[in-house]
Amino acid sequence: QKEVEQNSGPLSVPEGAIASLNCTYSDRGSQSFFWYRQYSGKSPELIMFIYSNGDKEDGRFTAQLNKASQYVSLLIRDSQPSDSATYLCAVNPATPIFGAGTRLAVHP
Amino acid sequence: DAGVIQSPRHEVTEMGQEVTLRCKPISGHDYLFWYRQTMMRGLELLIYFNNNVPIDDSGMPEDRFSAKMPNASFSTLKIQPSEPRDSAVYFCASSSGHRNTIYFGEGSWLTVV
Repeated sequence: QKEVEQNSGPLSVPEGAIASLNCTYSDRGSQSFFWYRQYSGKSPELIMFIYSNGDKEDGRFTAQLNKASQYVSLLIRDSQPSDSATYLCAVNPATPIFGAGTRLAVHP
Repeated sequence: DAGVIQSPRHEVTEMGQEVTLRCKPISGHDYLFWYRQTMMRGLELLIYFNNNVPIDDSGMPEDRFSAKMPNASFSTLKIQPSEPRDSAVYFCASSSGHRNTIYFGEGSWLTVV
């Protein structure tokens, strides 16, 4: 069965710290990987996508992909209270499959 | 640019009633997805369409659920009869291409009492 696994959290980090969110997936045929952020009561919104092994940086966010180990991670530098949300990992071997999400809490 | 538009945003209905959720995808997108989100099960893919054709409906819970896409700009998800366990947020999403980013609507919050 195709699965995407995430630690549900909550992950609590102090303001200004680096938050590290991890995701593992089971389907080796997966080719595209996404991180979405979902605030309470809102819909998921895209933060980043990554297709190739290695790192991809966008502002305070860095996505890391390791296909051999079947994991993808998201680093948030200089975490802000406004980053407090649930972060969903999505993997797309054929159709988008979402993990259950990790709840991040950034405290002042 | 208009995003994915869903209606109704909120619906409260009694058990046994028919519920119809509506979705207008982003113009030009050829894939449309229906997801359901609950605390217990997270975000589940119910069905998706490509060029208005249903491709995979293996996520549809049971025969009480049906979905249609009569044209490129409109889709419906129907539940008949509705049950309390159908209470959830139903998201419609669309994308351009097979493995590209999907964009979500604001969701339809369904409560069945």
